[in-house]
Amino acid sequence: EVQLVESGGGLVQPGGSLRLSCAASGFTFSSYWMSWVRQAPGKGLEWVANIKQDGSEKYYVDSVKGRFTISRDNAKNSLYLQMNSLRAEDTAVYYCARDHPDYSNYDYWGQGTLVTVSS
Amino acid sequence: QSVLTQPPSVSGAPGQRVTISCTGSSSNIGAGYDVHWYQQLPGTAPKLLIYGNSNRPSGVPDRFSGSKSGTSASLAITGLQAEDEADYYCQSYDSSLSGFRVFGGGTKLTVL
Repeated sequence: EVQLVESGGGLVQPGGSLRLSCAASGFTFSSYWMSWVRQAPGKGLEWVANIKQDGSEKYYVDSVKGRFTISRDNAKNSLYLQMNSLRAEDTAVYYCARDHPDYSNYDYWGQGTLVTVSS
Repeated sequence: QSVLTQPPSVSGAPGQRVTISCTGSSSNIGAGYDVHWYQQLPGTAPKLLIYGNSNRPSGVPDRFSGSKSGTSASLAITGLQAEDEADYYCQSYDSSLSGFRVFGGGTKLTVL
């Protein structure tokens, strides 16, 4: 059974940093692109970043470029999102999602972790 | 403002059929990119409902179907059930944005 379990969310002050983790199991993690998708309170879904199987390609939504860094450790079956210079508008539930191998979508999602940026 | 446009809400009585539209443009749906749909039950993570315009993942009832034409796509739900009350999101790929994958704003389905 595919499982994605996020952790690391919490309350942080504006300008602060946070590192999210996603532990993957039930599939060959190193064979899949992986993504982070967020959802602000009461709002819709927004793709944040994704990373290729070997970490050689990474893409970000414009609003987080230069502030967020996606990475992975295939030996640990783990995905990460380092978030720096956090802003109030980054407040959201952050989901780890597996990219479908043949389609540009997400076939499995974690339960999400809440990041709140507030003073 | 979402790249893909969905109605904020739709509703229907149990047993009825409802449709949710998803309108894009020539850089996403109209360019031939696939449309996918997700169901998000209250307080839970999104779940893939339809992929590749009209395909259902294993376990998704055939009451759910998807279609695409031109710059738009639709999700149809027949034999509406109380458990279908959820938020539904469409998603595609956009060649003009650095965000690549784009979502609709979501549609709240209420079962009357």
